[in-house]
Amino acid sequence: NAGVTQTPKFQVLKTGQSMTLQCAQDMNHNSMYWYRQDPGMGLRLIYYSASEGTTDKGEVPNGYNVSRLNKREFSLRLESAAPSQTSVYFCASRLAGANTGELFFGEGSRLTVL
Amino acid sequence: GDSVTQMEGPVTLSEEAFLTINCTYTATGYPSLFWYVQYPGEGLQLLLKATKADDKGSNKGFEATYRKETTSFHLEKGSVQVSDSAVYFCALSDPRSSTLGRLYFGRGTQLTVWP
Repeated sequence: NAGVTQTPKFQVLKTGQSMTLQCAQDMNHNSMYWYRQDPGMGLRLIYYSASEGTTDKGEVPNGYNVSRLNKREFSLRLESAAPSQTSVYFCASRLAGANTGELFFGEGSRLTVL
Repeated sequence: GDSVTQMEGPVTLSEEAFLTINCTYTATGYPSLFWYVQYPGEGLQLLLKATKADDKGSNKGFEATYRKETTSFHLEKGSVQVSDSAVYFCALSDPRSSTLGRLYFGRGTQLTVWP
């Protein structure tokens, strides 16, 4: 049972470099999300995709872009990384239509920007 | 707007002690409430949930009751184990939210249980 898979698990970047975090889910979920987790801040929503072909901003979208490549995959791109983007990033997915709110999370991607 | 406030940690307990982690919420509608748990090095996973007032969610010995009158959803366990050491997040989902299925998370409470 793979669930939600994120790659890479760890990454170190220099300021100004770009990178893409990959996320894939095999549960046939419609909605996918990117969160960041910072100490003492809980989880904050960056972007989400309610369904294939749609994406929307969350509460902290600046400096990020996303692509919903197909139903399974939802990538997060940092075009020009900044130290403030040092964080742990979580991808999550949810089966739309059942508003139980239950999200299924990946194991996280730890990003350090020097 | 919608928000969740949970007690700050860290919380340190001895094995078999009683646990309470407080959580209160602000929401304009009738949200669903959740507790998620994050074990070291892992993603979050759902621990329990309640979707309407007076509902009690329970799982793995943990319980929480949805109290609309006090806007609270406190997490309790009668006897904690070392394996319960983790970070616990309270969260809510507002069915009227424009972000479909979005969860609003508290800041998390680190629990450490010593043998």
